[in-house]
Amino acid sequence: KQEVTQIPAALSVPEGENLVLNCSFTDSAIYNLQWFRQDPGKGLTSLLLIQSSQREQTSGRLNASLDKSSGRSTLYIAASQPGDSATYLCATPTYNTDKLIFGTGTRLQVFP
Amino acid sequence: KAGVTQTPRYLIKTRGQQVTLSCSPISGHRSVSWYQQTPGQGLQFLFEYFSETQRNKGNFPGRFSGRQFSNSRSEMNVSTLELGDSALYLCASSLAASLPNEQFFGPGTRLTVL
Repeated sequence: KQEVTQIPAALSVPEGENLVLNCSFTDSAIYNLQWFRQDPGKGLTSLLLIQSSQREQTSGRLNASLDKSSGRSTLYIAASQPGDSATYLCATPTYNTDKLIFGTGTRLQVFP
Repeated sequence: KAGVTQTPRYLIKTRGQQVTLSCSPISGHRSVSWYQQTPGQGLQFLFEYFSETQRNKGNFPGRFSGRQFSNSRSEMNVSTLELGDSALYLCASSLAASLPNEQFFGPGTRLTVL
């Protein structure tokens, strides 16, 4: 049974810092891994999707990497801004389904 | 292209009542999934529908049910509401018939059970 964990649970950094969020999964036989952002009380915004055949994906200041052999994905945020403050979630689908298994999230606060 | 829409955005009900939530997927998307999000349990999968058929179901009691219409819009129903059903209910849609697919989420319906 796939389990997904995220460390740290919360992170507070000053504006401008580069930071790394971690996502670990127990079953390395994944199809893809998706990173989401969630603002308080709101829905999920898809940030990046990495297919199992890819090592990384980039969108603007965001870069996500995937290492299946070690069961890890990282989300790198460059030059963080207060607008990046949100909860970041990673998720991966169970075998041959659209059912996503989510991590517990990292709550990020970027202060001016 | 419009995103996933969910109605209503907020609901307040009392124990024992029933509730119906609605989700309209992105145009052209045929799969709709539902998730429950609570502070204690995080995001948990409820069920998924594709072409009006339930393709997957999570570990929730039978009080939780859903359906999908021919235009891919989906509804979920919770009967005999309990306090523990208070949560943010999120709907996600995806495009293709082959699995798995990138998921796109709606803004959610906040259900409060008093």
